[in-house]
Amino acid sequence: QVQLVESGGGVVQPGMSLRLSCAASGFIFSDYGMHWVRQAPGKGPEWMGVVSHDGGTKFYADSMKGRLTISRDNSKNMLYLQLSSLRGEDAAVYYCAKEPVKYSSAWYFLHWGQGTLVTVSS
Amino acid sequence: EIVLTQSPGTLSLSPGERVTLSCRASQSLARNSLAWYQQKPGQAPRLLFYYASTRATGIPDRFSGSGSGTDFSLTISRLEPEDFAVYYCQLYGTSPSSTFGQGTRLEIK
Repeated sequence: QVQLVESGGGVVQPGMSLRLSCAASGFIFSDYGMHWVRQAPGKGPEWMGVVSHDGGTKFYADSMKGRLTISRDNSKNMLYLQLSSLRGEDAAVYYCAKEPVKYSSAWYFLHWGQGTLVTVSS
Repeated sequence: EIVLTQSPGTLSLSPGERVTLSCRASQSLARNSLAWYQQKPGQAPRLLFYYASTRATGIPDRFSGSGSGTDFSLTISRLEPEDFAVYYCQLYGTSPSSTFGQGTRLEIK
């Protein structure tokens, strides 16, 4: 079955960078676009960005542009997020999510990871 | 940028009651590209519907999704105790972006 496991969360100081990983299994990773979605405490989910199945195309939320980089390594079935210049409002649970249909632009999510919590604090 | 507005913010209801949640988009959604999710504390969102009315696998038929254009609804015909949660709508497919609503909390009266 599809499994997505995020890692790398924890306490990050303001101004520093964050790197998260998402290990995928149970499906052909290189066939699907992958997304990052975050959720601040008590708030709704916030879509952050997507990387296409082959890593060749990326889109980011306007609010993240310039700070966010999403990448993937299909040889390792791994998805990555790098977010720079962290501030308090970046504190959230960060989820990776899989597109439901391969080679598509259907950006709704049947499969999510369990999330990894990021706290921004000095 | 299309904005989603969910209403009401919170609903207090009893098991067995019928409820309809609303999600309104500031512009018409192409192909009714709207999804609904249920989220319980400490869990990732759970997909309920996509393309407004297509039920995801395993979702009970007491849940129904409807709507088109700018107005969408999620109806639960008879609330079960496990249905008390937060519900979010999400738009996708209108641009290389996606947006979630702010959520409706369904609580037990």
